[in-house]
Amino acid sequence: SQQGEEDPQALSIQEGENATMNCSYKTSINNLQWYRQNSGRGLVHLILIRSNEREKHSGRLRVTLDTSKKSSSLLITASRAADTASYFCATRQAAGNKLTFGGGTRVLVKP
Amino acid sequence: DVKVTQSSRYLVKRTGEKVFLECVQDMDHENMFWYRQDPGLGLRLIYFSYDVKMKEKGDIPEGYSVSREKKERFSLILESASTNQTSMYLCASSFNSNQPQHFGDGTRLSIL
Repeated sequence: SQQGEEDPQALSIQEGENATMNCSYKTSINNLQWYRQNSGRGLVHLILIRSNEREKHSGRLRVTLDTSKKSSSLLITASRAADTASYFCATRQAAGNKLTFGGGTRVLVKP
Repeated sequence: DVKVTQSSRYLVKRTGEKVFLECVQDMDHENMFWYRQDPGLGLRLIYFSYDVKMKEKGDIPEGYSVSREKKERFSLILESASTNQTSMYLCASSFNSNQPQHFGDGTRLSIL
């Protein structure tokens, strides 16, 4: 199985609601990153959180990291139709240059 | 803004052909990456490069090779294309391993 696993695989919400998705991983990490992918496009970086950080904010996005549970969550507050996309977590292990991506969460925000 | 440009959005080739996918970045990034993305399997790393003429195998290098003759350009080569290489191919670059990756828009490759 992959280093990063997102949960749920799919999420459908109404505009204005909050969306929360989770990511679990197996080995020690240097940092964890969240990306968004609109249909048919490349990935866009959202937030990077380092292993010694517990929470980060960027606009309507909030990311938490719990290294004791090897998990992270991404919260999108007051969602908009434009937030409809797939969201991926990616982990960089303590050694090496590689990112390992999870399978993603597909988010549908209904107007 | 960083721009990562992949030469084709859509490509159709035949089995046995040698296929070249090109990627160019304009921000003098050290690291460049090639991934493939398949439904249910997420992104899987094929090869990456951390310097000119340097390359390292990713998780699924079989059937692929790469070339990095100039810092801004990273090419993925399918030596003899097969139908199981039909996929979305994504190129990315980063300044160093602690920085986020910037992705191109992908090449959807079909091998017939």
